[in-house]
Amino acid sequence: GAVVSQHPSRVICKSGTSVKIECRSLDFQATTMFWYRQFPKQSLMLMATSNEGSKATYEQGVEKDKFLINHASLTLSTLTVTSAHPEDSSFYICSARDSWAVGNTEAFFGQGTRLTVV
Amino acid sequence: AQKITQTQPGMFVQEKEAVTLDCTYDTSDQSYGLFWYKQPSSGEMIFLIYQGSYDEQNATEGRYSLNFQKARKSANLVISASQLGDSAMYFCAMRERRNTGFQKLVFGTGTRLLVSP
Repeated sequence: GAVVSQHPSRVICKSGTSVKIECRSLDFQATTMFWYRQFPKQSLMLMATSNEGSKATYEQGVEKDKFLINHASLTLSTLTVTSAHPEDSSFYICSARDSWAVGNTEAFFGQGTRLTVV
Repeated sequence: AQKITQTQPGMFVQEKEAVTLDCTYDTSDQSYGLFWYKQPSSGEMIFLIYQGSYDEQNATEGRYSLNFQKARKSANLVISASQLGDSAMYFCAMRERRNTGFQKLVFGTGTRLLVSP
């Protein structure tokens, strides 16, 4: 099946610094990627939809200036958590769909990034 | 707005037995898709099975089958011959239709399955 690679898998950063998370589709092109956040023992909540070559679409309540998304190519989207604070500590996971897929609109997920802000 | 409900926070099953994980959904759309994902402790989301709203037959993928009852708006996951490696969180999700672009997935709260020897 299609592979989505997310890096890093774990990151610890100091409060006030910025952290960049990468999401790559390894064997397919993805015009659209999705960024989710998951708190412990909770479900996934969509943060934003990343569109190649255009601005991301953020869900209600998600701060655009805090969570910067860049989708510069058909295989790479990045999420930058700016001026991170302890409350930003969470599990972030991306997903992507093959742009050329028809029928089953399966979304493939990255391995996730566990962010801890100290 | 679409909603997914998983009423079982945790389920236990003995190895080699079958188990059913419940999922009900609410939508006013005629066309929609339902997914099941497995999330082991490592955190990755593993796609298991997909059911389209117009599919007449229940989806099956190896030991996974989806008991789709459209009138009841339920899409239960059945795992046959459980294995120890099946212990994980399981999420039911629905594809939410939007006017443009890929539709987002709306997830349920998940069910933690524990398979015992």
